[in-house]
Amino acid sequence: EVQLLESGGGLVQPGGSLRLSCAASGFTFSSSAMSWVRQAPGKGLEWVSAISSGGGSTYYAESVKGRFTISRDDSKNTLYLQMNSLRAEDTALYYCAKHTIVDYYFDYWGQGTLVTVSS
Amino acid sequence: EIVMTQSPATLSVSPGERATLSCRASQSVSSNLAWYQQKPGQAPRLLIYGASTRATGIPARFSGSGSGTEFTLTISSLQSEDFAVYYCQQYNNWPTFGQGTKVEIK
Repeated sequence: EVQLLESGGGLVQPGGSLRLSCAASGFTFSSSAMSWVRQAPGKGLEWVSAISSGGGSTYYAESVKGRFTISRDDSKNTLYLQMNSLRAEDTALYYCAKHTIVDYYFDYWGQGTLVTVSS
Repeated sequence: EIVMTQSPATLSVSPGERATLSCRASQSVSSNLAWYQQKPGQAPRLLIYGASTRATGIPARFSGSGSGTEFTLTISSLQSEDFAVYYCQQYNNWPTFGQGTKVEIK
């Protein structure tokens, strides 16, 4: 059974930093591209960042480029999102999502970790 | 960025009736379109990919159609568990989502 378990969310002040983690199990993590997708309270879904299998390529939405860094540790089956210079508009539930082998849609999602940016 | 526009924002349907949801892309995405269902407090669940292929375990009452810029998700006979928010997502380019259609009980 595929499982994605996010952690690391919390309350942080504007300008602060946070690192999210996503522990994966039930599939060959090293062979899968992964993404972070966020959902602001009461709003829709927004893709944030993706990383290829092996970690050689990373991609970011314009809204987070230069502030967020995605990475992975295949030895630990874990995906990360380092978030710096956080803004109020980054407040959201952050989901870890697994891509299919071939395409950039998401066949499995975690339950999310909540990030609140507020003073 | 490819902008995805869903309509209507809210759809009121009686159980057993048919629901038709629309999704339009600002430029062609070929058949690189997925649909997700999200219930309150839950993560999204993949329903359809490739515009018309049901994901594993998805009931046959869910069907997708379209290509290019116009797409439709049809739920042939709404069950109580189908009342939820539905999102389309294109993956012809970096993923973008529509704003969602809420299917509510009439």
